[in-house]
Amino acid sequence: RKEVEQDPGPFNVPEGATVAFNCTYSNSASQSFFWYRQDCRKEPKLLMSVYSSGNEDGRFTAQLNRASQYISLLIRDSKLSDSATYLCVVKDRGSTLGRLYFGRGTQLTVWP
Amino acid sequence: EADIYQTPRYLVIGTGKKITLECSQTMGHDKMYWYQQDPGMELHLIHYSYGVNSTEKGDLSSESTVSRIRTEHFPLTLESARPSHTSQYLCASSSSSRGASEAFFGQGTRLTVV
Repeated sequence: RKEVEQDPGPFNVPEGATVAFNCTYSNSASQSFFWYRQDCRKEPKLLMSVYSSGNEDGRFTAQLNRASQYISLLIRDSKLSDSATYLCVVKDRGSTLGRLYFGRGTQLTVWP
Repeated sequence: EADIYQTPRYLVIGTGKKITLECSQTMGHDKMYWYQQDPGMELHLIHYSYGVNSTEKGDLSSESTVSRIRTEHFPLTLESARPSHTSQYLCASSSSSRGASEAFFGQGTRLTVV
């Protein structure tokens, strides 16, 4: 079983749409959670960290449910520039302290 | 902007050559990682390091080796390049400190072995 599982995608949505991505993780001892964005042929870049109480950054909202080991990302009012692959990332706490686990990524295309 | 640098950005090399991909960070991060990623595919961890003189193999079997003699430097070496090594190699670093645990990536090295 993979450490991090993401929605397979791809998601193709019109501008202005609201889109939600989901992610589950297998290690209940996981310490930190992130969403990264990766543009085509570029390196991944941090979009936002995910906090236990949930957090919002402009049009982006991240939620964490530790009991269900579930992370989500909501994008409101999608823009063409949101087209990218979104990676769910979990940081371990156990014996491999600080090990990062990446999901496969969910591809989003926003069309005009 | 992240202070992590990879060189070269692009490399085309013949089969059998020895190559070293460089990665340096100036953030004082203790942890560093090497990932391999084919176009449109997921990231695969090939090596990581918790600190100086500490290196571990990742999930993906790799014929490469790494060293961590200095905190800021984490080079990856292929003793004998093969066409199957053609891929993008991404270096990343992170800190053990609480509240600063996200990983920062270099711009990657796109390797082509002919």
